[in-house]
Amino acid sequence: DVKVTQSSRYLVKRTGEKVFLECVQDMDHENMFWYRQDPGLGLRLIYFSYDVKMKEKGDIPEGYSVSREKKERFSLILESASTNQTSMYLCASSLQGGPQYFGPGTRLLVL
Amino acid sequence: ELKVEQNPLFLSMQEGKNYTIYCNYSTTSDRLYWYRQDPGKSLESLFVLLSNGAVKQEGRLMASLDTKARLSTLHITAAVHDLSATYFCAVDLFYTNAGKSTFGDGTTLTVKP
Repeated sequence: DVKVTQSSRYLVKRTGEKVFLECVQDMDHENMFWYRQDPGLGLRLIYFSYDVKMKEKGDIPEGYSVSREKKERFSLILESASTNQTSMYLCASSLQGGPQYFGPGTRLLVL
Repeated sequence: ELKVEQNPLFLSMQEGKNYTIYCNYSTTSDRLYWYRQDPGKSLESLFVLLSNGAVKQEGRLMASLDTKARLSTLHITAAVHDLSATYFCAVDLFYTNAGKSTFGDGTTLTVKP
């Protein structure tokens, strides 16, 4: 079974803090994704990576950066957290042309 | 730009009834996926549909794809409470988007006894 794990299920941070969200997959997938999910706004893609050190902006990259130094690990960084970044963050991975496998999600609250 | 529209967005149905969720998309696609999300949980893959006329079934759920009409349907047969969840369709433009999917807004299904 594909496993996608995320470093935290719940996180509380203060405005202005730097926040790291980590995602690890164990199935050698090329593609990895970060989404945020907010009520009424559906699933929005933040960043996408199709290989080590390769990344593409998604629909809402502002205020976020990513890092993929190893194939199995994809990190999302909030350089200076703001209250409007309070959300559920979902990581996913996939093979080229296959369905995405999602992690359990991280609920981030920025105070 | 690829657009994916689901309807209805909210569906309340009684146990034992049948219903269909629709997923329309705007551009010729290579593949279509259905996902399920339980309340407070993450998404899990249900079906992958790759070609015109493809039909996949699991339990009380059946998904089909009509690429000419740019339409996929998720049919629920004799609904039970356990099917209460949000269902998303997602579409890939494999050769242009390199594996990125465009998701519909989701259909929240509530099955009442």
